[in-house]
Amino acid sequence: EAEVAQSPRYKITEKSQAVAFWCDPISGHATLYWYRQILGQGPELLVQFQDESVVDDSQLPKDRFSAERLKGVDSTLKIQPAELGDSAMYLCASSLEETGDLAGFYEQYFGPGTRLTVT
Amino acid sequence: TQLLEQSPQFLSIQEGENLTVYCNSSSVFSSLQWYRQEPGEGPVLLVTVVTGGEVKKLKRLTFQFGDARKDSSLHITAAQPGDTGLYLCAGAGETSGSRLTFGEGTQLTVNP
Repeated sequence: EAEVAQSPRYKITEKSQAVAFWCDPISGHATLYWYRQILGQGPELLVQFQDESVVDDSQLPKDRFSAERLKGVDSTLKIQPAELGDSAMYLCASSLEETGDLAGFYEQYFGPGTRLTVT
Repeated sequence: TQLLEQSPQFLSIQEGENLTVYCNSSSVFSSLQWYRQEPGEGPVLLVTVVTGGEVKKLKRLTFQFGDARKDSSLHITAAQPGDTGLYLCAGAGETSGSRLTFGEGTQLTVNP
């Protein structure tokens, strides 16, 4: 069964250091999302890609966060410098652009996430 | 800004009991999805509902989309310890395309 892959699964870093997360979406899924999830809360969208283009990055703290999807397949999310408040689960999801009878479904499939701890 | 409110926030029940989780909003959604998330893992999609009044069943789980497409409920019959997890609802707004708004989740614990 096709899955969204993420690495690393866990990352511990010191504040002011740089950290990067990688995501490989389900093959054929044009849309890719990065979310941040604080423990006990729902995911919050950071950035959305359609192929290699950013569709929505309105909630991305652009002074320290960056994301790219150069070839429209896998993606990298970077934080530099990391702050204590960045400790969270970073989730990647992908979806297939539905048409016809399935238009509007927008089903998103999530990877296992990267648990970031900033010390 | 579209908001989804889930209730209850926490629920602890005994094995065999029934329960209902609610997801409410003042906004209309073109579709609504339910996910279950286990500790340390990503959310897993359970169901998508798109039609007002729609009811979908997945074994012991029954999902309903409100007639006005502003709310949804998840009912679990004869809960089992394996049902333990964080249940999240997420809606796609009529004008927000594929962007989902997530609720804060309901943490369910089913005790053996």
